[in-house]
Amino acid sequence: ETGVTQTPRHLVMGMTNKKSLKCEQHLGHNAMYWYKQSAKKPLELMFVYNFKEQTENNSVPSRFSPECPNSSHLFLHLHTLQPEDSALYLCASSQAPGKGIEQYFGPGTRLTVT
Amino acid sequence: AQSVTQLDSQVPVFEEAPVELRCNYSSSVSVYLFWYVQYPNQGLQLLLKYLSGSTLVKGINGFEAEFNKSQTSFHLRKPSVHISDTAEYFCAVSGGTGKLIFGQGTTLQVKP
Repeated sequence: ETGVTQTPRHLVMGMTNKKSLKCEQHLGHNAMYWYKQSAKKPLELMFVYNFKEQTENNSVPSRFSPECPNSSHLFLHLHTLQPEDSALYLCASSQAPGKGIEQYFGPGTRLTVT
Repeated sequence: AQSVTQLDSQVPVFEEAPVELRCNYSSSVSVYLFWYVQYPNQGLQLLLKYLSGSTLVKGINGFEAEFNKSQTSFHLRKPSVHISDTAEYFCAVSGGTGKLIFGQGTTLQVKP
């Protein structure tokens, strides 16, 4: 595997389910990110991790719970979601969360909440 | 606060024609600027970035962009597009906090 991988690619869940999204980067980066991409809206940054420590939470509802066990893996735990949470969830990584630092994106998980 | 505005939500163009995708930004600090492309069912891929130096930046796949500080713009251009360029294009700015702020995206539709 190369680059940034995400599993699953597609997920359908009910509002009472609990599921997790997984992201893995094979680039030796230290920073990882979760973004939400909804139709016709700009990408929304959700969380930032640097060296496994959360450095940013953009007022994300507590039904989204991130976990970063090491610099290569990032999870997004989901529970009691709402239909408006349906979106494409993108993971990204970079050498560090600094100005001008390129972020590398995974293919995303298409989440549908029914 | 920083913001990015992509002035066109959709740009239809015929194959081999030139194209320009427009991007304006606002920021009170110096910025770095990026263009990303998203092909169907894929993540974002960096096309090019402006950090400093020459205001004309060349990227992958024949794309280039020009940083214009006085007009706070960073328009993306390609002299001759291909069907394979059909995708969503995102302009982004990185400012004082290092966060990437994205525009709403422009859908480039290349017609045969």
